[in-house]
Amino acid sequence: QVQLVQSGAEVKKPGTSVKVSCQASGYTFNSYGISWVRQAPGQGLEWMGWINAYNGNTKYAQKVQGRVTMTRDTSTSTANMELRSLRSDDTAVYYCARHSGTSTWLSVDVWGQGTTVTVSS
Amino acid sequence: QSALTQPASVSGSPGQSITISCTGTSSDVGGYNYVSWYQQHPGKAPKLMIYDVSRRPSGVSNRFSGSKSGNTASLTISGLQAEDEADYYCSSYTSSSTWVFGGGTKLTVL
Repeated sequence: QVQLVQSGAEVKKPGTSVKVSCQASGYTFNSYGISWVRQAPGQGLEWMGWINAYNGNTKYAQKVQGRVTMTRDTSTSTANMELRSLRSDDTAVYYCARHSGTSTWLSVDVWGQGTTVTVSS
Repeated sequence: QSALTQPASVSGSPGQSITISCTGTSSDVGGYNYVSWYQQHPGKAPKLMIYDVSRRPSGVSNRFSGSKSGNTASLTISGLQAEDEADYYCSSYTSSSTWVFGGGTKLTVL
């Protein structure tokens, strides 16, 4: 079955970076896009950006532009999200989510289990 | 890009119908038929319930339906059941080629 399995929880200090991975299985990885969405404790969902797994093209939300890099490795069917210069308000559960194709406007249909990132000194 | 506007909470009794609204602008909800709705139970990942305004994924109950008028999309749940109690989020594609979510609505089944 289609599945996205994310890497484990992270605890980071302010100013450092975190990299979260998302391994896909059960479908042809490079035929779909992947978005990253985060959810701060007790808060709503926030879209961070998208990567086309076919050609690596990306689109980032203005709020994290300049601090985030999304990449993919087609040989391992893995998408990665690196967030730099971490602040306390980056503490959140980070989700990867598959779009139903490679076009940005196609909806997200499958979600990973989430990765908790805690930023604390 | 500002978040879409949803009511913070709605409630209904079992068997009743409820509607959750999602208001955006002509640059997102009003400009595209790319509105999705997600259900999220506590501690779980979101689940797609409606996409492209009114399409239902395979396996989602036909008690869930979606619609749109102008800059406002709506999710209607008919025949409310206890397991429908959850948070619901709308999302829309935007003119900046990005996605934006609503603030979320907590549904309580009385």
